[in-house]
Amino acid sequence: AQSVTQLDSQVPVFEEAPVELRCNYSSSVSVYLFWYVQYPNQGLQLLLKYLSGSTLVKGINGFEAEFNKSQTSFHLRKPSVHISDTAEYFCAVSPMDSSYKLIFGSGTRLLVRP
Amino acid sequence: DAGITQSPRHKVTETGTPVTLRCHQTENHRYMYWYRQDPGHGLRLIHYSYGVKDTDKGEVSDGYSVSRSKTEDFLLTLESATSSQTSVYFCAITEGTGLNTEAFFGQGTRLTVV
Repeated sequence: AQSVTQLDSQVPVFEEAPVELRCNYSSSVSVYLFWYVQYPNQGLQLLLKYLSGSTLVKGINGFEAEFNKSQTSFHLRKPSVHISDTAEYFCAVSPMDSSYKLIFGSGTRLLVRP
Repeated sequence: DAGITQSPRHKVTETGTPVTLRCHQTENHRYMYWYRQDPGHGLRLIHYSYGVKDTDKGEVSDGYSVSRSKTEDFLLTLESATSSQTSVYFCAITEGTGLNTEAFFGQGTRLTVV
């Protein structure tokens, strides 16, 4: 079984400041890792994913994440946030099989203030 | 949006009544999924389908049934709605193969059970 923990339910930050959203996971099997973003009243959009290879993954909108196997973490970072980054961010894992079933964390609301 | 349409987008229903939500896709994707989104829980998988008449349970399947008689439609039924099923329901598909697989989500259906 898999589980995903996002300890921060809300992260307030000022515009142009850096931000890190934390994600830790637990799994008895190898998994793929993902970050999704959800803007108000919309569905989810993929920000980035880690499948294999380099542990530093770059995604859309200037976001990046680093996979740390020993700490079972996949933290999301952005060096300088914009007002438009205000949204809810979800970390997710999927077992490495053909089902592509996603197990999500509880989400972190990023609130960017001017 | 990968050609995903959910209907209805909003529904209010009474406790004990049956409710069916529809997910329609236009691009012949094999895998389809139903998730529910609740505050503090992120998204949780209800059921998924890997082909016509081929379905399997997710982590929160109790009280829900699904059917897929055509590739393009995946129906989620609440046989007797309860207030605990008030939620936002998202349909998803996966596109691509192997490491190029990606999940795409519909816009969601907000269901309120009164």
